[in-house]
Amino acid sequence: NAGVTQTPKFQVLKTGQSMTLQCAQDMNHEYMSWYRQDPGMGLRLIHYSVGAGITDQGEVPNGYNVSRSTTEDFPLRLLSAAPSQTSVYFCASGGWGASGYTFGSGTRLTVV
Amino acid sequence: AQSVSQHNHHVILSEAASLELGCNYSYGGTVNLFWYVQYPGQHLQLLLKYFSGDPLVKGIKGFEAEFIKSKFSFNLRKPSVQWSDTAEYFCAVLTGGGNKLTFGTGTQLKVEL
Repeated sequence: NAGVTQTPKFQVLKTGQSMTLQCAQDMNHEYMSWYRQDPGMGLRLIHYSVGAGITDQGEVPNGYNVSRSTTEDFPLRLLSAAPSQTSVYFCASGGWGASGYTFGSGTRLTVV
Repeated sequence: AQSVSQHNHHVILSEAASLELGCNYSYGGTVNLFWYVQYPGQHLQLLLKYFSGDPLVKGIKGFEAEFIKSKFSFNLRKPSVQWSDTAEYFCAVLTGGGNKLTFGTGTQLKVEL
């Protein structure tokens, strides 16, 4: 049981490049979310999903796209990377009820 | 929209001192509350959670938290901290039927020997 798997762990992009951060969970969780973590700002919700085919915007969605074609996968796409998107990105998944979310190990992204 | 406030941004304690980290939330409906811990270089791990019942919740590693509905608070406590408790602590509230987890800005705890 791997839990929540994120790839890659580290990435450096040039301004304007695009990329996809991968997230997969094997717990059959309905809910999946993407957060970015910046010093002094805690974790801010980018996008979330309540099930396959259903996504919604969080607090800071601009510059990011998501899709949820399967229960297991929830990739995050950066369309045109900007230095302001330099951050640590966490994917999380959760099941019905107040069981809390399980977090992946994070992706540290630097945009130069 | 719901929000979570953690007023202590940095806390420094000596080993064996008692800890209390404040957490207040703004949301009028039913909430589920959590404390997560992030050790240096690691991802978030669940410390404890509250969803109903006894407002005093016990978690892992000797941590506990008390839900006070009238004060919209969910403060984290530990009677005696250890050096290994050095980490960042996040309070979070789950709303929207369980699909939206909102975090506070975190509290950096440093425990000195």
